[in-house]
Amino acid sequence: DGGITQSPKYLFRKEGQNVTLSCEQNLNHDAMYWYRQDPGQGLRLIYYSQIVNDFQKGDIAEGYSVSREKKESFPLTVTSAQKNPTAFYLCASRTGNTIYFGEGSWLTVV
Amino acid sequence: GQNIDQPTEMTATEGAIVQINCTYQTSGFNGLFWYQQHAGEAPTFLSYNVLDGLEEKGRFSSFLSRSKGYSYLLLKELQMKDSASYLCAVRDGSWYALNFGKGTSLLVTP
Repeated sequence: DGGITQSPKYLFRKEGQNVTLSCEQNLNHDAMYWYRQDPGQGLRLIYYSQIVNDFQKGDIAEGYSVSREKKESFPLTVTSAQKNPTAFYLCASRTGNTIYFGEGSWLTVV
Repeated sequence: GQNIDQPTEMTATEGAIVQINCTYQTSGFNGLFWYQQHAGEAPTFLSYNVLDGLEEKGRFSSFLSRSKGYSYLLLKELQMKDSASYLCAVRDGSWYALNFGKGTSLLVTP
C-alpha cells in the first residue's frame, strides 16, 4: 500500500542525546514536511523539502536537522540543542493541493 | 505572518448539525484546508477551498469567504466517530507555509 511510514511510533530520549525520527514515503511525492504538535496546539512547521538535496527551515527549526538524500526519505534529527523536545512529530508529503500525513511519532524526554 | 482562530471546544448531539468556524488574517492567500484528527493519530484531509462558496462532500461541507477572512466546516448527521479535533489551515503564496490553527475539539454525545 502507498503511504507515509514514520518510525518509531514511540521514542524516549535522555537529556543530552540526539535522536533521529524516520520518515519514508512511496507516493512519489516531491515535497515533504516535518511538523511538531504540542497538546492543545496547532501544527508548527519545523523543516520542509521541495526536492531531493534541498530543504528549508520552517518556523521552529532551532535544535533540529534534516537531510533529503533520497526522494523517499526525509529523516528528522532532534538534537540536544532542542530544549523542549517532548511532542508529537508528524511527517507529511504533498501532491497537488493536498498534504498527506504519516501516523506520527511520540518523543518523550526522560 | 498569519493568525488563524477557531473555537477551542464544541459539543453536539448525535444526529445533529454542527458548524465549526475559522477566521484568518494572512499576508497572502492560496487556499484553506480542513483536517480531521483523532486523538493520537495523524490528521486526515477533509476539504480544500480556494474560491468563495460552499463545497459539499457527503456529510461534510466547507464554506469560504475570502473578503471576510472566514470559513466554516459543517458536519451533518453527526455520528459518535465524528468526535475529534478539526484543524483549519491556510496556505499563503507558497507551499512553504501551510499554517494551522490550534484546532477545535468536537465532542459528540448520545
